[in-house]
Amino acid sequence: EPEVTQTPSHQVTQMGQEVILRCVPISNHLYFYWYRQILGQKVEFLVSFYNNEISEKSEIFDDQFSVERPDGSNFTLKIRSTKLEDSAMYFCASSARVGLEPQHFGDGTRLSIL
Amino acid sequence: GIQVEQSPPDLILQEGANSTLRCNFSDSVNNLQWFHQNPWGQLINLFYIPSGTKQNGRLSATTVATERYSLLYISSSQTTDSGVYFCAVEPNTGGFKTIFGAGTRLFVKA
Repeated sequence: EPEVTQTPSHQVTQMGQEVILRCVPISNHLYFYWYRQILGQKVEFLVSFYNNEISEKSEIFDDQFSVERPDGSNFTLKIRSTKLEDSAMYFCASSARVGLEPQHFGDGTRLSIL
Repeated sequence: GIQVEQSPPDLILQEGANSTLRCNFSDSVNNLQWFHQNPWGQLINLFYIPSGTKQNGRLSATTVATERYSLLYISSSQTTDSGVYFCAVEPNTGGFKTIFGAGTRLFVKA
């Protein structure tokens, strides 16, 4: 069964550094998402992306965050200047049709900011 | 915005017992999914169930969209069922956004 793949599985970065989290969605999917889960808390929506532009974003997704689909297969989340509170698990998801088919999640990238 | 409430927040079961987890949501939704987060942090998709009833082995789910709730049934629980169960909904607001509940943390004792 096709899967959403995320790399790396664990990223350790110094505070203030830029970090890029990578995702390869399922190949025929058109809708892409990033979520964040701080340790022990619920999963929070960050951003959705369709047709090469952001569809919706949460209040968490401020100017420090950006998303890109650089080459038609990868979907990336960039954090420009990381803060300690950015430490979390970041999940990527994709779906074929919004509202009609489920979202498929990757295994996540655990981001640790020192 | 839409509120998603799950109950109970914590649940301890003896292996073999049955349980019902509940998800209430405050507004109409386009879809609803149930996930199991295992001890390694992976989110496993259990059901995509915007309405109606589905069954998969020992698990089944029912969503009554008009009354804004969904139920997840676990029968004959096993230790491997332990973890956190999340309900996630996509609000019927025209955008592409999914809101998760706070989850039910389940521990099944051997």
